[in-house]
Amino acid sequence: SAVISQKPSRDICQRGTSLTIQCQVDSQVTMMFWYRQQPGQSLTLIATANQGSEATYESGFVIDKFPISRPNLTFSTLTVSNMSPEDSSIYLCSVGRQVNTGELFFGEGSRLTVL
Amino acid sequence: GENVEQHPSTLSVQEGDSAVIKCTYSDSASNYFPWYKQELGKRPQLIIDIRSNVGEKKDQRIAVTLNKTAKHFSLHITETQPEDSAVYFCAASTAGNQFYFGTGTSLTVIP
Repeated sequence: SAVISQKPSRDICQRGTSLTIQCQVDSQVTMMFWYRQQPGQSLTLIATANQGSEATYESGFVIDKFPISRPNLTFSTLTVSNMSPEDSSIYLCSVGRQVNTGELFFGEGSRLTVL
Repeated sequence: GENVEQHPSTLSVQEGDSAVIKCTYSDSASNYFPWYKQELGKRPQLIIDIRSNVGEKKDQRIAVTLNKTAKHFSLHITETQPEDSAVYFCAASTAGNQFYFGTGTSLTVIP
């Protein structure tokens, strides 16, 4: 398995502000993803973080709202921009070692509350 | 993208009974089907998985079956225990390694 560290673990934010979540992995990984889990809901894929190029976003998610960086094979950031209460959620970083049907591991998640 | 449906959304069983959770998927290109267990306030943890070239896999009290033709797969937990109480998610993975999750099943095992 991989050790995945996310920070912050939780935060309370004001409407209209932006927050960047960091994800650090203890070893190089091929695949990194960002998921959102709203209270009592399932995990929704936001985007695939591509090393050295722009992230690939899922339908309903856009770069202006959720800019993502991945400067190397062990680190990624997700920014939640211009937040509203609807953005209150847990954001999870996940990694996969193998391309094409490998296991997926999750970080502890970052719980954001937007007032 | 892939669409994964999961039933039931909630399930209560008596301790010692079996629990079955079912999922269907839409993308015939999906070839990896993991199941995750998420306890309250914790991250999802992989409990069992199955690949498309296998019809069934078992690990102690947990088993998973896959029917590729019908595009459905199921999780079976036998001899349930209170510590099995959690939310269970199925997922389907495509060749690009994106994982798409079902809506989750909240399992309660009653002592």
